[in-house]
Amino acid sequence: GAVVSQHPSWVICKSGTSVKIECRSLDFQATTMFWYRQFPKQSLMLMATSNEGSKATYEQGVEKDKFLINHASLTLSTLTVTSAHPEDSSFYICSARTRVSSYNEQFFGPGTRLTVL
Amino acid sequence: KQEVTQIPAALSVPEGENLVLNCSFTDSAIYNLQWFRQDPGKGLTSLLLIQSSQREQTSGRLNASLDKSSGRSTLYIAASQPGDSATYLCAVRPGNYGQNFVFGPGTRLSVLP
Repeated sequence: GAVVSQHPSWVICKSGTSVKIECRSLDFQATTMFWYRQFPKQSLMLMATSNEGSKATYEQGVEKDKFLINHASLTLSTLTVTSAHPEDSSFYICSARTRVSSYNEQFFGPGTRLTVL
Repeated sequence: KQEVTQIPAALSVPEGENLVLNCSFTDSAIYNLQWFRQDPGKGLTSLLLIQSSQREQTSGRLNASLDKSSGRSTLYIAASQPGDSATYLCAVRPGNYGQNFVFGPGTRLSVLP
């Protein structure tokens, strides 16, 4: 199956700093990429959807100025958490959708655990 | 608005038992439904994907069924093993192609040796 990678797999930062998380589709071109957030013992919640070369579409309640998404190519999307605070500590998972499968299947990355001190 | 629920929230069984995990969704107009496994602190592993036109999918000891009209899906695990211990997530992709998955809260499964 198609592979989606994320880097870093975990990161610890001080409050007020910015953190960038990369999401790559390794062996396919992703028409659309998605970013999810998962708090402990909760399910995944969609944060935003991005198409290559377009501005991301954010879900209600997600601050677009705080969570900057750049989808520079068909294989790379980045999420930057700006001025991170402890409440931003969470597990961030990206996902990529491909046209390769006739069902436009979606594949998930391994996640990035962010801890803000 | 599509909502997905999963029952039970947690389940503990002895090794070797067959078990059923349940998923319910409120809007039957779906594009597909997918079952995932998530180990603690890890990402998602896709288990089975059922298209809206399908009734079930099988992979090894896993079998997933879909009844769109009643808004239900079940994941059947045969001959459970300790390695099956994980959280199982059901996710529904709404009928509008452009829409994204709606995830259920998950079922935490523990298979005791």
